[in-house]
Amino acid sequence: KQEVTQIPAALSVPEGENLVLNCSFTDSAIYNLQWFRQDPGKGLTSLLLIQSSQREQTSGRLNASLDKSSGRSTLYIAASQPGDSATYLCAVRVQIQGAQKLVFGQGTRLTINP
Amino acid sequence: NAGVTQTPKFRVLKTGQSMTLLCAQDMNHEYMYWYRQDPGMGLRLIHYSVGEGTTAKGEVPDGYNVSRLKKQNFLLGLESAAPSQTSVYFCASSYWTGPYEQYFGPGTRLTVT
Repeated sequence: KQEVTQIPAALSVPEGENLVLNCSFTDSAIYNLQWFRQDPGKGLTSLLLIQSSQREQTSGRLNASLDKSSGRSTLYIAASQPGDSATYLCAVRVQIQGAQKLVFGQGTRLTINP
Repeated sequence: NAGVTQTPKFRVLKTGQSMTLLCAQDMNHEYMYWYRQDPGMGLRLIHYSVGEGTTAKGEVPDGYNVSRLKKQNFLLGLESAAPSQTSVYFCASSYWTGPYEQYFGPGTRLTVT
């Protein structure tokens, strides 16, 4: 059974720092990996999607990497800002019972202190 | 485009009552999903649909029913609500071809007393 783990569960850093969020998964047979952002009381916003054949994706100050063989992904946030404060979720797309589905980690709650 | 919308945003039910949550998307997506999010449990898939008129069970389908009568709408029903169904419910949609990027609605916060 695919399991997705995000460590740490919470992270607090001063504004301006570069930081890395971690995501690990137990089965390397994935189609893609997606990083989401969730603000309190809101839905999920897709940040980056990495196909299984890709090593990384970049969007602005965000860079996501994928190492399928080791079952790991990282989300790098450069020059963090208070507006980056949110919960970050990773999810892997896998084949379960004949259909492709997302399996989510429990998220890392990020706080950027001014 | 409104994207994915959900109705209602909040609801309080008494045990045993029924209700229907409505999800609508205007992106012409074939696939639609219902998730629940609980503290410490993450997001779990309840039911999903790969097209109009089709539905399938996800990870936690018990106590819920769904219908996809129109491509743009996906309904989640609770026939007899239980306190264990207190949760935040999210709807999502995606295209039927890769990369299957999912787009989420804002959520419905349901409390069952």
